[in-house]
Amino acid sequence: GQQLNQSPQSMFIQEGEDVSMNCTSSSIFNTWLWYKQEPGEGPVLLIALYKAGELTSNGRLTAQFGITRKDSFLNISASIPSDVGIYFCAGQLWQGGKLIFGQGTELSVKP
Amino acid sequence: GAGVSQTPSNKVTEKGKYVELRCDPISGHTALYWYRQSLGQGPEFLIYFQGTGAADDSGLPNDRFFAVRPEGSVSTLKIQRTERGDSAVYLCASSLEPGGIAFYEQYFGPGTRLTVT
Repeated sequence: GQQLNQSPQSMFIQEGEDVSMNCTSSSIFNTWLWYKQEPGEGPVLLIALYKAGELTSNGRLTAQFGITRKDSFLNISASIPSDVGIYFCAGQLWQGGKLIFGQGTELSVKP
Repeated sequence: GAGVSQTPSNKVTEKGKYVELRCDPISGHTALYWYRQSLGQGPEFLIYFQGTGAADDSGLPNDRFFAVRPEGSVSTLKIQRTERGDSAVYLCASSLEPGGIAFYEQYFGPGTRLTVT
């Protein structure tokens, strides 16, 4: 079945630093979504990507849909303490429906 | 407006018992999804409803798991003869109807933490 490999598994950074994480797949996806999850909460949608090569920003967050449609990355610029959480990528096939999630990247930010 | 709501937020049950978990989607969302998240993992798909019918139930692990959505709004995930391995956070999500890109954007509830002792 389809699997997503997300890296790194965890990151410890200083406040103000930029962060980059990525997701790769053995299969092609038609949609890539990035979520953030905090303890005791459900995942919160950050960015949705629909076209190969697409680059989309949401405030300090920027995500790209890889040209091969098998990868995506998320950048966070000028990190702040409230960026702490687990970031998940999720891929979806053309017909929609189920999301296939990566294992998550846990981000810690030191003030 | 109100987001996806799930009840109960926590459920502790004994091995072998039956449990029901409820999800109330965002108003106007016709698509509803159930996922299961184990500690340290990403959510895993269980089932997807479009209206009242299950459009994809390929993620249900076995016949102890069943879900319904009789009126196309609230959904109930039912687990029979619970096992310790069923302990996880059960997440519900919803999205708009197919036909636009918003269909692909799933919004999650806070989850129900199920513990089977």
